[in-house]
Order: sequence, then structure tokens, then C-alpha cells
Amino acid sequence: DADVTQTPRNRITKTGKRIMLECSQTKGHDRMYWYRQDPGLGLQLIYYSFDVKDINKGEISDGYSVSRQAQAKFSLSLESAIPNQTALYFCATSDKGVTTDTQYFGPGTRLTVL
Amino acid sequence: AQKVTQAQTEISVVEKEDVTLDCVYETRDTTYYLFWYKQPPSGELVFLIRRNSFDEQNEISGRYSWNFQKSTSSFNFTITASQVVDSAVYFCALSEDSNSGYALNFGKGTSLLVTP
Repeated sequence: DADVTQTPRNRITKTGKRIMLECSQTKGHDRMYWYRQDPGLGLQLIYYSFDVKDINKGEISDGYSVSRQAQAKFSLSLESAIPNQTALYFCATSDKGVTTDTQYFGPGTRLTVL
Repeated sequence: AQKVTQAQTEISVVEKEDVTLDCVYETRDTTYYLFWYKQPPSGELVFLIRRNSFDEQNEISGRYSWNFQKSTSSFNFTITASQVVDSAVYFCALSEDSNSGYALNFGKGTSLLVTP
């Protein structure tokens, strides 16, 4: 079984709809991240969390919110989806204990907003 | 400002050729970390290597090798005797100690196509 899972893997929704993307991990890592990938732009950080009570905005957090339900679960919500939020979304995890540790990514969620 | 530059947008080679993917980074930190990830056509991101700023030793792993040069702020990736399965988008990324989130700053990626 994969260490970092994301659901759904693909989603098509309409403008104005609320949508939630979920991420679960079995790696036992404390740190979790949400990134989005747009074609030709690499990945950009949306939100990150160091533990259940520590959630922080990334560089492109507008229009998004997150919830860290447990150490292993980190959800990303789009309150009112818009077409320019069409992208590939990745969840990642890393371990606490060192300043920077390797981030391991989930398989991604491809979101299309019509 | 872009902290990681991958100037090569697309590279096409014939199988068995060697290919080098360039990565230039920018940081004022003395402690930082560099990464390479591979994104095959299936879309997942696969970790390849992590290097910290105090370790300039080159690394070789099978057909893959990495050349880290602080003097030129570069962390280049070479694939020797390329294979079709190497076709993917490769991302270089930087993590800085001064960044409280330890988030990765990604380059825009280099798309590598290896043809038979």
C-alpha cells in the first residue's frame, strides 16, 4: 500500500461548488504540505502543517482552506471553486526532527473546474 | 523571484546517449538543501536525491549522477546511457533554513524525451 494517498484521484466540478481533497499518510510524519502544479510552472505551496495545531499559509493560499484532522490526515478545501483552480494537486509529508527532511509526495489529484 | 532555474524546458535524446539536466539556484542562506524529483507520464513525483549545502561530494547511483558546485550555484543531474523509461519531467528544488515552512521551491522542470 502507498505511504501517502490522495482522494479523489480525479475530479471534475463546476464553478462555485465546494470541494474537498483528502490526504492520508502511513509514514508517521508530522509535517504535511499541499502543493498545486500548473503546466510549465513547477509546484507552488498552498498550505503546510507541522502538527495538528500548527497550520500555516503558503505562497498561494487565497481561495483555499485546510484542516488537519489527525497526524495522518490533511484535507484541502476549495470553498467556491473557480476555473483557474484547475490544476494537479499534491500532498506531501516529511519527518520532524531535522531542519529539512525529504518530502514524499502522494500520487496527485487532478482537478478540473468548469 | 525564481530561486531555482532550469533553463532547459525540453530535451530530446536517442536511447543510450548521455544527457545532463541543468539546475541553478539562488539563496542567501548558508544552510540549504537541494533535491531532484522525477515525474513520469503517470504523474506521481518520485524523490531521487537530497543534498545539503555542506556536502559538495558528487553522487553516483547507477546510471544517475549529480554534480553539486557551490561556486556556480549549480546542481546538475546526468543520466548515463539513457533509456526510454527515463522519459519524464525532472524537477530541481531548493529548501532553505530561513524558510520557516521548509517548503520546497521548485524549478519549472525539464521534460526529457528518450526515443528508441
